[in-house]
Amino acid sequence: QVQLQESGPGLVKRSETLSLTCAVSGGSVNSGPYYWSWVRRSPGQGLEWVGYISYTGSTNYNPSLRSRVTISVDTSKSRFFLKVNSVNTADAAVYYCTRGPIVQPTLKFYYMDVWGKGTTVTVSS
Amino acid sequence: EVVLTQSPDTLSLSPGERATLSCRTTQSVSSTYLAWYQHRPGQAPRLLIYGGSTRATGIPDRFSGSGSETDFTLTINRLEPEDSAVYYCQQYGDSPMYTFGQGTRLEIK
Repeated sequence: QVQLQESGPGLVKRSETLSLTCAVSGGSVNSGPYYWSWVRRSPGQGLEWVGYISYTGSTNYNPSLRSRVTISVDTSKSRFFLKVNSVNTADAAVYYCTRGPIVQPTLKFYYMDVWGKGTTVTVSS
Repeated sequence: EVVLTQSPDTLSLSPGERATLSCRTTQSVSSTYLAWYQHRPGQAPRLLIYGGSTRATGIPDRFSGSGSETDFTLTINRLEPEDSAVYYCQQYGDSPMYTFGQGTRLEIK
């Protein structure tokens, strides 16, 4: 059974870079066919999809965050990562990593079937 | 961008009762692209329903999803104390884009 575990610094200074890791256990990020996403929940915004990386390594991001976000993967250690540049107070949230199964024949994913418990990020001035 | 509005914001019911949670979208959405999640405090969110009405693995048949176009419903029969949680609907849209409703908090008295 696949499990996801987020980790990273709980506190980030405004204008700096937020870096989070999602460890995948019980499976592999490149075993396919899945998409691996980050979703965040902030008091003012509810749940917000941040972006994904696919089993092929392709990425896509929420247009509202695209200029500041990078998602990458370390297949050898079955982890994937989130970086958010130039953080501000609106980036304070609980960040979740998720898995999205591919639907045939579109090869897209429409929902997220595995979630981590989340990691809280606070932004300080 | 499609906006999902859930109602009510909070629902308080007793064990054994039925809960009906609504998710309305600003544009027509195929039920194929509609999912529901349960989020208990301190736990990982859990997929309940995908494809509008298909229960995820291990989800009891007390949970059911229905609806079409702009109006979707999650029904929970025979409520149990463990059903206390926040419930979210989510849709897939072109671009691609994934958007969520603001959530309904279900309290079991």
